[in-house]
Amino acid sequence: DAGVIQSPRHEVTEMGQEVTLRCKPISGHNSLFWYRQTMMRGLELLIYFNNNVPIDDSGMPEDRFSAKMPNASFSTLKIQPSEPRDSAVYFCASSWTSGRNEQYFGPGTRLTVT
Amino acid sequence: AQSVSQHNHHVILSEAASLELGCNYSYGGTVNLFWYVQYPGQHLQLLLKYFSGDPLVKGIKGFEAEFIKSKFSFNLRKPSVQWSDTAEYFCAVNAGDKLIFGTGTRLQVFP
Repeated sequence: DAGVIQSPRHEVTEMGQEVTLRCKPISGHNSLFWYRQTMMRGLELLIYFNNNVPIDDSGMPEDRFSAKMPNASFSTLKIQPSEPRDSAVYFCASSWTSGRNEQYFGPGTRLTVT
Repeated sequence: AQSVSQHNHHVILSEAASLELGCNYSYGGTVNLFWYVQYPGQHLQLLLKYFSGDPLVKGIKGFEAEFIKSKFSFNLRKPSVQWSDTAEYFCAVNAGDKLIFGTGTRLQVFP
């Protein structure tokens, strides 16, 4: 299995630009999670989906952030407009629905907003 | 509300020293507990997990953790660390379908 796939791995953009991060979960997993990791805040859960439906988006910091999961094999996290404080590593993770199952993390997207 | 506390933020050890990283959780239901490791520049990987049964859980790379229900703890241990164990370690507890992560402990091992 290829594991969770994220693209791009690195993104450098200017303030005000739109940024789209992509994630392909492990085939067969039905839960998908988006996290943000920074030195200051550590690992934060932004949003998660079960069976392509957003369940909890309480971690999404602002309306500038949005996430979609149009099908079981693809999700996007969009920031529009981006700001320097959005600079972070964004991880996607997937699992089988159940608190007993561990989450498998992707390699992350390192976002730098200048 | 569910929460996870990792009291050791930064631990520095010499190779061959023993390691114990603390993890305490707050959750009212049946708990499933996890330890993840993040090597420099990499993503989180599962070290070990506890669901039920034997409270002493063995994971990869010689790590183990002990679930002590009365203390709401799930401490991570390794008898003899190596330089390659330098990483950040995260404890997590399930909350329904979500995992609640601790703030992490940065471990530095010097040769």
